Order: sequence, then structure tokens, then C-alpha cells
Amino acid sequence: EAGVTQFPSHSVIEKGQTVTLRCDPISGHDNLYWYRRVMGKEIKFLLHFVKESKQDESGMPNNRFLAERTGGTYSTLKVQPAELEDSGVYFCASSRLGGETEAFFGQGTRLTVV
Amino acid sequence: GQNIDQPTEMTATEGAIVQINCTYQTSGFNGLFWYQQHAGEAPTFLSYNVLDGLEEKGRFSSFLSRSKGYSYLLLKELQMKDSASYLCAVRDWAGTGTASKLTFGTGTRLQVTL
Repeated sequence: EAGVTQFPSHSVIEKGQTVTLRCDPISGHDNLYWYRRVMGKEIKFLLHFVKESKQDESGMPNNRFLAERTGGTYSTLKVQPAELEDSGVYFCASSRLGGETEAFFGQGTRLTVV
Repeated sequence: GQNIDQPTEMTATEGAIVQINCTYQTSGFNGLFWYQQHAGEAPTFLSYNVLDGLEEKGRFSSFLSRSKGYSYLLLKELQMKDSASYLCAVRDWAGTGTASKLTFGTGTRLQVTL
């Protein structure tokens, strides 16, 4: 079974540019989460999808961040325009529906805004 | 909201036992998770506790006391490959039967030495 995959693994962009991160969850996992870790801080929740619907987007920092999951399969997270403070590692995780299951994480996308 | 505390760094000797503590204050609780993360890799699920007591899984065990807001991860017969960050995470209760987001501590970086 393939794990959670994220693309790209690294991205370096200039302030003001746009970047789109992609996450492919484990097949059959309806829960999909986006998290972010900025330097020296803990991993923080951004957004939770159940299938194609946004279940919880309370962690999204501001309206420069847009997440989509059309069709309930892969998800994208777009940052437009990127700011310096957006630098960090963006993790995606997925899990099956139901309250007792663990989330499986991808390796993350390291975003550097210069 | 959630507040999770764990030590920043620990060092232990190969073959020894180490205990990594985690304390939390929470407004809702639906389980505590421990993840292992090697540098540049995905966090990997280690254990899950939702009821009080000890869960044992090979060399790793995890304990939970809900009344004290306390958990620990116990690693026995330490190996060099156990050098990694260990993340304590608490899951909210969404109340809808759907798994909710994780709130992470900053992680404990464990260094195993000869």
C-alpha cells in the first residue's frame, strides 16, 4: 500500500509569488489533514477535509491560503501571494473515517520564501 | 484549546531504558498519540492511548492518566536507530463521530549514544 505522498519535496520561491503544494492520501482514506511546522515550533493544524468537504479550517492563517480537494481524492494547498513567514514544512496526513484510527503522514514539503 | 508540554531534548545510552513525558491541558480529549520522526522524514505512528493505563508494543510502551493530563512513552533496549524526535499529540473530540485534528507538542529530540 502506497503511503501519503507530497509534491514537491522542496520549494524555494520569492516573496509575492504563488506556490501550490499537492498531497495524495492513502487510497480509501476519506480524512485528509494539512499541518505546518515553522522553524523551532510545533506542528500546527491548518485544515481538515472529509472527502471533498472542509470539516475544519480553523487553523488556516489567513486568506492567502487556499486548500481544495476536488473529487475527494488528492488535495492542493495554494499560497498566494507567499510571504516570508510562510516558510516551513507543510505536512499532509490521512486516515480512515471513524474516530479511533491513527493518521498517516507524508514526508512534507519544505517551503522557503526568500 | 490544547497545551502540550514535553522536554526538548534527552540523551540516553544504547541498551538503556528512557521515558519521555508529556503533559497536556485540554478542553476536549479523544486520545493521545505518540509519533516518531527522523530528520527529513514523515512522522510515523507509534502508539495510541484513549483509556488510562499502559499500552505495550514491543520495545515501546505508552502510558496515559487522563485525570492527571499525563502520558509517557517508554523505550526499552535502546538502539542507535531510535535517535529521533518523539512527538506527543492530543486529538480533539469533534463530537460528530469523525476523527478530529491533532495538537502537537514541540517534540523531544532523543539522542542515543554508545
